[in-house]
Amino acid sequence: GAGVSQSPRYKVAKRGQDVALRCDPISGHVSLFWYQQALGQGPEFLTYFQNEAQLDKSGLPSDRFFAERPEGSVSTLKIQRTQQEDSAVYLCASSHSPFDQPQHFGDGTRLSIL
Amino acid sequence: DAKTTQPTSMDCAEGRAANLPCNHSTISGNEYVYWYRQIHSQGPQYIIHGLKNNETNEMASLIITEDRKSSTLILPHATLRDTAVYYCIVRVAGNQGGKLIFGQGTELSVKP
Repeated sequence: GAGVSQSPRYKVAKRGQDVALRCDPISGHVSLFWYQQALGQGPEFLTYFQNEAQLDKSGLPSDRFFAERPEGSVSTLKIQRTQQEDSAVYLCASSHSPFDQPQHFGDGTRLSIL
Repeated sequence: DAKTTQPTSMDCAEGRAANLPCNHSTISGNEYVYWYRQIHSQGPQYIIHGLKNNETNEMASLIITEDRKSSTLILPHATLRDTAVYYCIVRVAGNQGGKLIFGQGTELSVKP
């Protein structure tokens, strides 16, 4: 069956540009997570959605980062006025229910800011 | 969520069992132990999880000590494709959402 799909797979942007990263979760999955993974580090939590509600955004590093999931399925992570330190792999994960279910990850978007 | 400690790296011969240890001495009674792995340039892949009892699935076995302060992930017959970073994570049961807190993990190298 289809897993979590992320696009684009790679994104290069100039410093100061805005970028949008897309996540298609597994069909029917209620919970959706975004993580950021710097080179050589483990993923770090950014934000969590239950259906269309953003219940936790404690990991977003600044107000330049914004995420949405308007219809409770596809989600977009937007970064405004990108900076070099935003260069990382952005991972999306989904799970069937909000409780005690494994999260299934996409292969991420590798973002490089020049 | 409790902190976990894992060795930085391990080697294993192809075809042998790979035993990956994890310490979680501050784990609470309502926290699960989860294992994920990440192969280069891919997203993390769920392997297995458990609360108190040992667990087995088609990928691996999870052995949790009686005091729950440590666990071991066992890959019974390691192959070259099992080369990856393995993450041990504790996660509160019944926690709505339940974000995962990754550490540095163990880099497992399976050698021919």
